[in-house]
Amino acid sequence: DAMVIQNPRYQVTQFGKPVTLSCSQTLNHNVMYWYQQKSSQAPKLLFHYYDKDFNNEADTPDNFQSRRPNTSFCFLDIRSPGLGDAAMYLCATSRWTGRGETQYFGPGTRLLVL
Amino acid sequence: AQSVAQPEDQVNVAEGNPLTVKCTYSVSGNPYLFWYVQYPNRGLQFLLKYITGDNLVKGSYGFEAEFNKSQTSFHLKKPSALVSDSALYFCAFSPTSGTYKYIFGTGTRLKVLA
Repeated sequence: DAMVIQNPRYQVTQFGKPVTLSCSQTLNHNVMYWYQQKSSQAPKLLFHYYDKDFNNEADTPDNFQSRRPNTSFCFLDIRSPGLGDAAMYLCATSRWTGRGETQYFGPGTRLLVL
Repeated sequence: AQSVAQPEDQVNVAEGNPLTVKCTYSVSGNPYLFWYVQYPNRGLQFLLKYITGDNLVKGSYGFEAEFNKSQTSFHLKKPSALVSDSALYFCAFSPTSGTYKYIFGTGTRLKVLA
């Protein structure tokens, strides 16, 4: 089945140790998103790619970076994780047409920072 | 600013009773509105969406939502709640132009009591 896949599902890292989360999709969607979600709050958009065009949210910390080497894959890099970065990270995709296309989410990666 | 609002943080309903989760919107133009559900430690799952046409939209797991333009609402409903419906529900909309982002409400936790 076509889907959005996130690895790993759970990630434990140490304070200040770089970590990379990965997302892949078999939907061939042109837009990929990374969200941060804390304790049952609404997902907070960190950045998104429209094809190869990168769009950073104004309040996304510099500590967060992203790469999209091809249509199928997108990575979230946290250069120096702090305790406040512990959260669920959600990847999502959409085939954006401006006509109400559905956004599809992966299962998420829960990050724990020790 | 365009937004969606979920006025209730939590909704409790007895199993077998009808349920309603409320969402109101403040969107210019024709809104594209969505409902998502999130189970613990999972990503968001698409339930249904309103694009145009029939104001009553039917979705997954027996859920439906009614688009009401005069009241600017898009409430989620189900005739008979199940304990397994207990989850976090998010209303969202996607703008018709200018951005590829989806805007989420703050979420409503639904608890169905046996």
